[in-house]
Amino acid sequence: DAGVIQSPRHEVTEMGQEVTLRCKPISGHDYLFWYRQTMMRGLELLIYFNNNVPIDDSGMPEDRFSAKMPNASFSTLKIQPSEPRDSAVYFCASRPRRPREQFFGPGTRLTVL
Amino acid sequence: AQKVTQAQTEISVVEKEDVTLDCVYETRDTTYYLFWYKQPPSGELVFLIRRNSFDEQNEISGRYSWNFQKSTSSFNFTITASQVVDSAVYFCALSGTGGGADGLTFGKGTHLIIQP
Repeated sequence: DAGVIQSPRHEVTEMGQEVTLRCKPISGHDYLFWYRQTMMRGLELLIYFNNNVPIDDSGMPEDRFSAKMPNASFSTLKIQPSEPRDSAVYFCASRPRRPREQFFGPGTRLTVL
Repeated sequence: AQKVTQAQTEISVVEKEDVTLDCVYETRDTTYYLFWYKQPPSGELVFLIRRNSFDEQNEISGRYSWNFQKSTSSFNFTITASQVVDSAVYFCALSGTGGGADGLTFGKGTHLIIQP
């Protein structure tokens, strides 16, 4: 089985540009999570979905961030407009209803200049 | 609110030594889950173990073992006879059950360096 797939793996953009990160969860997994990793803040949850429905978006930094899950096999995280402080590694993870361990994608390294 | 504390920022040992990574957690949930993840230099996050709050049985998997003690809110990880390939950042994490609590709360991680 393929693991969680994220694209792009690396993204370099300029401040003010729109950035879209993509994730394909493991087939059959009911839950999808977006995390961000920075040196200062470590790994933090941004938002998660259950059966394509957003459950907790309290970790989304501000209105510039939005996430969607139009179907069970695809999710996007969009930043508009991007700022240098958004530079981080963004991970997508998925898990089934049981057991509860999450499986992570390889991450997208975002650099905003 | 949930919190995970990994007090050891960095540990350096010589190959074949045993090493224990500490993890202390805080939660108000009566049912919760604890995890350890490994992040090697390549950057991916690799799942190692899950432990349920109602199961305090310790677990051993090869050179890895985990000690879960609810009385001290700790979930420590021991590597026996460490190897250079064990060098990585190790994260302890906590999640609740439903009601918006399924996300992982991570500790800051322990950078483990195994010197040959």
